[in-house]
Amino acid sequence: QTVVTQEPSFSVSPGGTVTLTCGLSSGSVSTSYYPSWYQQTPGQAPRTLIYSTNTRSSGVPDRFSGSILGNKAALTITGAQADDESDYYCVLYMGSGICVFGTGTKVTVL
Amino acid sequence: EVQLVQSGAEVKKPGESLKISCKGSGYSFTSYWIGWVRQMPGKGLEWMGIIYPGDSDTRYSPSFQGQVTISADKSISTAYLQWSSLKASDTAMYYCARHADYLYYFDYWGQGTLVTVSS
Repeated sequence: QTVVTQEPSFSVSPGGTVTLTCGLSSGSVSTSYYPSWYQQTPGQAPRTLIYSTNTRSSGVPDRFSGSILGNKAALTITGAQADDESDYYCVLYMGSGICVFGTGTKVTVL
Repeated sequence: EVQLVQSGAEVKKPGESLKISCKGSGYSFTSYWIGWVRQMPGKGLEWMGIIYPGDSDTRYSPSFQGQVTISADKSISTAYLQWSSLKASDTAMYYCARHADYLYYFDYWGQGTLVTVSS
């Protein structure tokens, strides 16, 4: 079964930039996988950030952006703020209506 | 305003059955897929499956096929996730979310239902 891989953790300074990636255990991620990104803070339901590779969900600040970098999907946080400290998950579409979550990345802002 | 309101927390014993619910409002319930996501304690999110309430077309992740049943009652705008025989490993938070067709992402989320299975 295909595994969707993310970095386990990242640390970023306030005001800094961090890029999280979302890859496949075999193969390359393209826009055909419709990558989406979600933010989750402890005890809260996930929040949708990005869909269809690079479209921001309603109300999401423009410091969050999505792209394809090489053979992976990517989420970049530019000008990180303290309340960006969260877990971040990607989702990839695998076909036949089925999607898979990535393993998640814990982002620390300090 | 789109809202998904889930049923309350459950405490069950191994072997018992359970059905949790997710009621949608503020949109045409039959026109969007609804999905379920599992989060085991201290772990990541897992995509379980989706249902299209308009015709009950259902898709399951291979990891959850045969383990749970997803259903919907469009007359009351409610989706369900059910187990016939719970295991301790089913202990988790379960989220429902609206799944946008053709763009394959969750756009609105329920608040979550905590299921605890313990003898």
